[in-house]
Amino acid sequence: SAVISQKPSRDICQRGTSLTIQCQVDSQVTMMFWYRQQPGQSLTLIATANQGSEATYESGFVIDKFPISRPNLTFSTLTVSNMSPEDSSIYLCSVEDRKRGLQETQYFGPGTRLLVL
Amino acid sequence: QKEVEQDPGPLSVPEGAIVSLNCTYSNSAFQYFMWYRQYSRKGPELLMYTYSSGNKEDGRFTAQVDKSSKYISLFIRDSQPSDSATYLCAMSGGSGTYKYIFGTGTRLKVLA
Repeated sequence: SAVISQKPSRDICQRGTSLTIQCQVDSQVTMMFWYRQQPGQSLTLIATANQGSEATYESGFVIDKFPISRPNLTFSTLTVSNMSPEDSSIYLCSVEDRKRGLQETQYFGPGTRLLVL
Repeated sequence: QKEVEQDPGPLSVPEGAIVSLNCTYSNSAFQYFMWYRQYSRKGPELLMYTYSSGNKEDGRFTAQVDKSSKYISLFIRDSQPSDSATYLCAMSGGSGTYKYIFGTGTRLKVLA
């Protein structure tokens, strides 16, 4: 399965600023996903990023707040813009990959822990 | 009603116990069922993957899907302290329907 890394692993930011999170995969993948994981809540899909097309955002998430880039098949970024304390969360990147002949399924990066003061 | 319901725990068991983790769901279109394990301060790790109804076994782990009851389970035999983690169920509608719906996760602690 794909090996996924994220940068930064954690950050503390001031409200009103922006943070860009990077996701790097060690193999080419078509679909990459960005999730948010808040304490006591399930993973929530923010958007799907396919290379060469605009990201598709889920209900409740907008491009102005969470702009996404997908310049190639191994890399994506998520920016959390104009941050407020409510944006404090873990942000996870995942990719769709095939493992040992199984149906494609999703594999996750280690996450970025964001605290907004 | 949430699409996927999962008891958040925490669940504490002695080492060697059999652990049963469960999720219920409401969407009959779900065809693929996954269990992820998430250690503290780590990303979710795919543990088990099942298509449609039935059982699947992998070492000490067994995943069961009962589509008629909209109920899935993960059993851990001979539980170890290293199994202490949060277990997340996830499900999707299948090929071409990539969106995963996750449960909130069950925190498991296996006591040595």
